[in-house]
Parts: sequence; structure tokens; C-alpha cells
Amino acid sequence: DIVMTQSPTSMSISVGDRVTMNCKASQNVGSNVDWYQQKTGQSPKLLIYKASNRYTGVPDRFTGSGSGTDFTFTISNMQAEDLAVYYCMQSNSYPFTFGSGTKLEIK
Amino acid sequence: EVQLVESGGGLVQPGRSLKLSCLASGFTFSNYGMNWIRQAPGKGLEWVASISSSSSYIYYADTVKGRFTISRDNAKNTLYLQMTSLRSEDTALYYCARGGDYENWGQGVMVTVSS
Repeated sequence: DIVMTQSPTSMSISVGDRVTMNCKASQNVGSNVDWYQQKTGQSPKLLIYKASNRYTGVPDRFTGSGSGTDFTFTISNMQAEDLAVYYCMQSNSYPFTFGSGTKLEIK
Repeated sequence: EVQLVESGGGLVQPGRSLKLSCLASGFTFSNYGMNWIRQAPGKGLEWVASISSSSSYIYYADTVKGRFTISRDNAKNTLYLQMTSLRSEDTALYYCARGGDYENWGQGVMVTVSS
């Protein structure tokens, strides 16, 4: 199975900060990585698909990049409503696997 | 508006069975692959099973293979997950999700396996 190693586990940030998190795949997954946002008590929401494509309605402060084994997710101008846990997932081959999540907290 | 509504969860004893349903609306159900993902309390996301639009392709996580069965009824716009030989480690919130990139998720249904 492909292991998605996500870092950091948590981040303390301030509104307006630039936030960057990473996922490293244990083998080449091409561009088949998605990023999800899960707010407390809510279902996950797709933000980025195929590594760098913003899903419909997602603000442009959210961006994704990478290919192969190394992927990055960035929030360019952190807003209070962006507090959540963010997960990466590889959809290159079954079993699809998620990273362990990055929790954003207010500093 | 895409809607996915899960149902069928509850408290069940170890070794027993349970069948989850996911009723879809707001899109052409028969055109999309569908998925089940679960989340144990306080934990991360775990993919469980996927089924293609015509049920031709089905995949399972090793943790549920042989115990869970994913199926769909395109005439009823409904996705199912038949769960047998349930274990305590199957306790989780079960989500259904649409498509290959999980574009939309339901609100989830809780399954608790305990004696």
C-alpha cells in the first residue's frame, strides 16, 4: 500500500499567515493527490484535486502543487474560517490512502 | 444541489451485521463511481470501498475485505454497504462520497460495535 506521510501534524497560526503543509508518497503517484478540509463536526470537503486543480467554488487562497512523491498545499492568507484539519489522499492506485492530517490552530 | 444522505447506522454487537444506505440526489447517480470512507472517533480518514458506475469494478480495503460488500441500485439512486462479522475496530462514522476525487460527501452515519 502507498503510505502518505503528511507534515506537520499541527500548526499554530495567525490570521493572515501563509500556511504550507506537505505530503510525501511512499511511491510515485503521478499527480493523483487530492486535498480535503474537515472542520470540526463536519464532513470533509474537496479543495484540490489532481495535485493542483482547485475544486468548484474554492477560494484562490488555497493552492496545491507537486507530482511524483512530493506534494504541497498552501493557504496564502489564512482566514479564521480556515481553521480545520487538512488531509491529503492519493487516488493513483487502490487502496486509496490518506495522510494523517494537519490540524490548524490559532496562535 | 448534490445531496448524499447516509442511513442505517447504530449500535450492534460484535459479530453481527448491519447494512448502510446512501441516498443520492441532485446528479445522475448512474454516471458516477461511489465510495465509502470511515472515520473512527477522534481519528483520521480511512478509505473502505469503491464501486464503479455500472458496478463492474469493486475495490475493498484489506481491513474489510471478505466481511463488507459494497453495492448500488442505480434505479433507486442508492449506494449500500453490507457489513458482516463486525468488530470493535469497525466503530466509526461512515461517509459515502461521490466520484473519483470524492467531490461530495454525505453527513455520515455512526456505527458502534460493542457488547
